[in-house]
Formats: sequence, C-alpha cells, structure tokens
Amino acid sequence: DAKTTQPPSMDCAEGRAANLPCNHSTISGNEYVYWYRQIHSQGPQYIIHGLKNNETNEMASLIITEDRKSSTLILPHATLRDTAVYYCIVIKSQAGTALIFGKGTTLSVSS
Amino acid sequence: GAVVSQHPSRVICKSGTSVKIECRSLDFQATTMFWYRQFPKKSLMLMATSNEGSKATYEQGVEKDKFLINHASLTLSTLTVTSAHPEDSSFYICSARDPAGNQETQYFGPGTRLLVL
Repeated sequence: DAKTTQPPSMDCAEGRAANLPCNHSTISGNEYVYWYRQIHSQGPQYIIHGLKNNETNEMASLIITEDRKSSTLILPHATLRDTAVYYCIVIKSQAGTALIFGKGTTLSVSS
Repeated sequence: GAVVSQHPSRVICKSGTSVKIECRSLDFQATTMFWYRQFPKKSLMLMATSNEGSKATYEQGVEKDKFLINHASLTLSTLTVTSAHPEDSSFYICSARDPAGNQETQYFGPGTRLLVL
C-alpha cells in the first residue's frame, strides 16, 4: 500500500475550518484514500474515503487532487470535540487487508 | 456506520494470569476481524488478522502462542493474552469490515485497556 505523509500537528480555532493535508505521491490507480480519527482513549472512528472524486458527508469533505498524489480533509466548522489524531491511510481496493496506521496529525481545536 | 463492541473496556490482572478480550460486530456479520495494540503516545500496531473458521494470521514479532485468537462465529472474535506480564499492558483494539458496505471500510471497537501488575 502507498505510504502517506502528514504534518505531526495542527491548531485550529473553534468554529473555523480545519484543513488537514496528506501526501500520497506513490498511490496507484486502485487504491482508496481513507481518513480516520482517534479521540483520546477511544477506538478509531471512520470519517470518509474517496478514490478519485471529491467526497462530502455529514462529518467532513475530502478533496483529492487531480493527479491523486495528495488530499485534504476539511472539517468545515471545527469544534472542541474534533480535537483528535487524524490518520490518512491508502489501501488497495478489494484487498481485504488491515489498515496500517502511520503517526497521523494531532489536531488541537481551541476556543 | 456499523457497530463493533469490545468487552471488557478495562481490566487489571496479576502477572502470570490470562485475560480474554471479546470483540463483537453488533449489526453485521464479519468474516474478517483485526486486532491492534497501542502503547501510550504511539500509533496503532496491527497484531493479527482473524478469519472466521480458520487460523489467525499474525504479524511479524507477535507471538501466536501468547496472543491466542479465536474467531468461532461471524460476530465474535476473542483475543486471549496468556501468562500476561507487565510489558503486555496496553490498549487493545479490534476492528471489522462490514461486507455489505464498501469492502475496505473498517469499523473499530472502543478498545480494552489492559494493566498487568
């Protein structure tokens, strides 16, 4: 699976948009981009995933560049409860394999 | 999304005893479940892949005789830490794929915090 690179930490003011970048320059055509987050002392929570097109759900938006080498997770109106470690993971379609977690980005939302 | 539960949420045991952790998929059947371990301030590390009706596949460096995995039904996988020692103290998390949804989306349990004294 393609390797991802994320900044170790980011800060965001409550109510503002949080834009979390992820580089996956070696991604191949059949690999999805997945985002999960882990709030302290809890199991990871699925956020969103995409292949080529931008995606939006009730939690976030995912913007994937046209060459698919990077993506950005957008939390449109961050709240204090969004403080967590955010993981960007690339995984092959239909592989049935486990998710492999990197170090992620620690997002701190403050009032 | 799909729901995965774990029991117990927290356990304290004496060194040398065995501890069983249960992972259940509550609203779907999971042919494959995964077990992870997380040490403080570290990321999740995959321990093993649990397949219903067959032997688990362990990651390199994970002792299969120490971490016994049983996946006897489509909704339950268990991880037994045998002869636990203080260095086994960790946060253990399971996940499962919902075959009815996107094939690669995994849902995680809330985790089990193990403290070995």
